[in-house]
Amino acid sequence: DAGITQSPRHKVTETGTPVTLRCHQTENHRYMYWYRQDPGHGLRLIHYSYGVKDTDKGEVSDGYSVSRSKTEDFLLTLESATSSQTSVYFCAISESKPLMGYGYTFGSGTRLTVV
Amino acid sequence: AQSVAQPEDQVNVAEGNPLTVKCTYSVSGNPYLFWYVQYPNRGLQFLLKYITGDNLVKGSYGFEAEFNKSQTSFHLKKPSALVSDSALYFCAVRDGGNAGNMLTFGGGTRLMVKP
Repeated sequence: DAGITQSPRHKVTETGTPVTLRCHQTENHRYMYWYRQDPGHGLRLIHYSYGVKDTDKGEVSDGYSVSRSKTEDFLLTLESATSSQTSVYFCAISESKPLMGYGYTFGSGTRLTVV
Repeated sequence: AQSVAQPEDQVNVAEGNPLTVKCTYSVSGNPYLFWYVQYPNRGLQFLLKYITGDNLVKGSYGFEAEFNKSQTSFHLKKPSALVSDSALYFCAVRDGGNAGNMLTFGGGTRLMVKP
């Protein structure tokens, strides 16, 4: 997963506490995404960013917020963690070349457990 | 809206036999189609993609996929399965008119190759 790192790799937190996950890229890609992976649901988009300070919601954004203050970092915050947010979280990046049909490069994931 | 369906949660195949992992999609414009593979405790890795051109696409590790527009399918295939191919496979689609470059993923298919 060269060029994209997620931290922490594992985290256990208590219900009701805020949690921030970090995604860092060194590829200078415009687009960044946060997905969660749950059995039977595949990957579902939480939020994405198409530039510094430009973000938008995905299909499962309730309870999550994001920030992107510089190109290389995309933060995902669980405002008040709940057990339903126990999941594996993946960050992904992609370029912005039109008509190239570019896909994603994924980070290694963060396994979050809310107890 | 764009969507992807992977109708099989799991595919079992004997080593040396051909394998097929099924994927169907729905988009309003031209589809950009992708296959990713996930090994345990790892992020998703790109296998192959279809953007335009030849309907048979070749990718990494001997995998290939056939784009069928009339059946809106993009099945993943390999002539001779290896035990090391055992993993979780995801199909993804992007609508060619999707300005946000968002991929929508299927629920995943677990491939089990038995010796």
